[in-house]
Amino acid sequence: NAGVMQNPRHLVRRRGQEARLRCSPMKGHSHVYWYRQLPEEGLKFMVYLQKENIIDESGMPKERFSAEFPKEGPSILRIQQVVRGDSAAYFCASSLGSSSKNIQYFGAGTRLSVL
Amino acid sequence: TQLLEQSPQFLSIQEGENLTVYCNSSSVFSSLQWYRQEPGEGPVLLVTVVTGGEVKKLKRLTFQFGDARKDSSLHITAAQPGDTGLYLCAGAGGSNYKLTFGKGTLLTVNP
Repeated sequence: NAGVMQNPRHLVRRRGQEARLRCSPMKGHSHVYWYRQLPEEGLKFMVYLQKENIIDESGMPKERFSAEFPKEGPSILRIQQVVRGDSAAYFCASSLGSSSKNIQYFGAGTRLSVL
Repeated sequence: TQLLEQSPQFLSIQEGENLTVYCNSSSVFSSLQWYRQEPGEGPVLLVTVVTGGEVKKLKRLTFQFGDARKDSSLHITAAQPGDTGLYLCAGAGGSNYKLTFGKGTLLTVNP
């Protein structure tokens, strides 16, 4: 059973470029969550998606950030016009359901470095 | 806003010693999870506690959820170098799916 797969594992971008982070949930999971881990900080919730729907994006910056989880294919976290402050580890998690009893399984993350 | 405070932030001990890590909040959580994260990897779930006062054991690790479901502790007996890592607690509140993470306790067990 494959776990949550994220790619790329490392991504380097120059200021102003776009970053696309991909996440394939565990087999059978239809709930996807994105978290950001800044240096010296805990993981912060960004967005919760189900297939083709954004359920809660309260943790996402209002500008430059977007997320999708299409009917086919991985979930994508997209950051436009990256700035140095976007440098962080971005983790995706997936679960079977959305209640607190449904465990969130995390991927290995994408480390984004903005030069 | 729900916050989880973890203490200590750093802990360096010798192999064979016991230790306790704490996770405290002023908020009530419907469940609390403990994860371990190694450098360059994602958090790996160790345990979920749901009931106030619940105690769970995982080999040399003992997890306790406070009676009021606001705090939790992780106790490791006879620590080993393989226990080295970042220990994170995360609480699920009213929305259930939105985990609130503490900043973690970085544990180093020296041989």
